Amino acid sequence: EADIYQTPRYLVIGTGKKITLECSQTMGHDKMYWYQQDPGMELHLIHYSYGVNSTEKGDLSSESTVSRIRTEHFPLTLESARPSHTSQYLCASSPRIADTQYFGPGTRLTVL
Amino acid sequence: SQQGEEDPQALSIQEGENATMNCSYKTSINNLQWYRQNSGRGLVHLILIRSNEREKHSGRLRVTLDTSKKSSSLLITASRAADTASYFCATAPGPSYDKVIFGPGTSLSVIP
Repeated sequence: EADIYQTPRYLVIGTGKKITLECSQTMGHDKMYWYQQDPGMELHLIHYSYGVNSTEKGDLSSESTVSRIRTEHFPLTLESARPSHTSQYLCASSPRIADTQYFGPGTRLTVL
Repeated sequence: SQQGEEDPQALSIQEGENATMNCSYKTSINNLQWYRQNSGRGLVHLILIRSNEREKHSGRLRVTLDTSKKSSSLLITASRAADTASYFCATAPGPSYDKVIFGPGTSLSVIP
């Protein structure tokens, strides 16, 4: 069982709300990732970080933002949620680039 | 077009049978990984095979890699109902080899 945690597990909110999805890992990994996944579909990389104060956008355009102030913490924020943001968000960490990734359990977000 | 694609998209077998899933990719790679995802959960890493390896085993799992054909296969022997999940291959394509890209997955159902 990987030591990577995501909260909340489920979130139902109204349009226009600001939300932050939390991701923390206790493995000391420098590399961390956020993926978006619709049910039964592939993962899309939306943000990644290779260390403290380093963040990059992924391949899928996203209206979310991330921060990396501490190695273990990689939160994702949506300033104004919309129904199109309804999806599952998966956080992962890795000890090295392009190496094994350890995933959290995911946050299933529904925006009404 | 996707870097990695699994085949078949869905597979249904009886408990005790073997399950084979294939992954094809387009560009050169340093390694190829297989992950499992149970419904609504995060991904779990199964096996990483490097580009200079041809075959790797882990318990009931056997992975092969043919770099000349740009393909890999995952074999699960003596399947169990608990193997029911989606299986994803992931590659870090060249020239930078720095981002892991996941395929769309194969949905495996093992019928008791």
